[in-house]
Amino acid sequence: DTAVSQTPKYLVTQMGNDKSIKCEQNLGHDTMYWYKQDSKKFLKIMFSYNNKELIINETVPNRFSPKSPDKAHLNLHINSLELGDSAVYFCASSYKGRSYNEQFFGPGTRLTVL
Amino acid sequence: QKEVEQDPGPLSVPEGAIVSLNCTYSNSAFQYFMWYRQYSRKGPELLMYTYSSGNKEDGRFTAQVDKSSKYISLFIRDSQPSDSATYLCAMSAVRQGAQKLVFGQGTRLTINP
Repeated sequence: DTAVSQTPKYLVTQMGNDKSIKCEQNLGHDTMYWYKQDSKKFLKIMFSYNNKELIINETVPNRFSPKSPDKAHLNLHINSLELGDSAVYFCASSYKGRSYNEQFFGPGTRLTVL
Repeated sequence: QKEVEQDPGPLSVPEGAIVSLNCTYSNSAFQYFMWYRQYSRKGPELLMYTYSSGNKEDGRFTAQVDKSSKYISLFIRDSQPSDSATYLCAMSAVRQGAQKLVFGQGTRLTINP
């Protein structure tokens, strides 16, 4: 079974639409993350949730809204999609702690905005 | 200036060669240093992590950190075609219990049989 799963794998949509990406982890982790990887492979953190509480919120347009219904799920909703939102979005999870905890990444969702 | 700089390559070497991948960083607050491997159309997977200056070895892979120079390296010995992937360095500091990873741009590596 996949440890961190994302749906859908591919998403093609028109500018101005609203879309959601779902993420689920079955590792028992309590912290989840969203990352964006652009066309040059640059991977950048967007958000982090710990047990449904937002703890990292980078400089991301407020068109992006993460939602965590429980500690095993972290969904990403994007309003009014723009061409620049085209990227691969990765979900990740880890344990929370004061020392290092490995982050496990999902397979990614490739978003194309036309 | 980016917090983490990594030469994006691409880098192409023959099978069996020793590969050296490098990153520099500017933020002294980074506590942990990682190398991730990402195959095409897949998510990144952790190869190695370390938190102190010096070398750490795992099979054919050696991670090296020099905190005084703010420089990290990954060496791959006896490189194999299956090592062909994008290698991402990453650094982190813990914030409210979460690891905020800051990645380099990634180096695309091809090992030619």
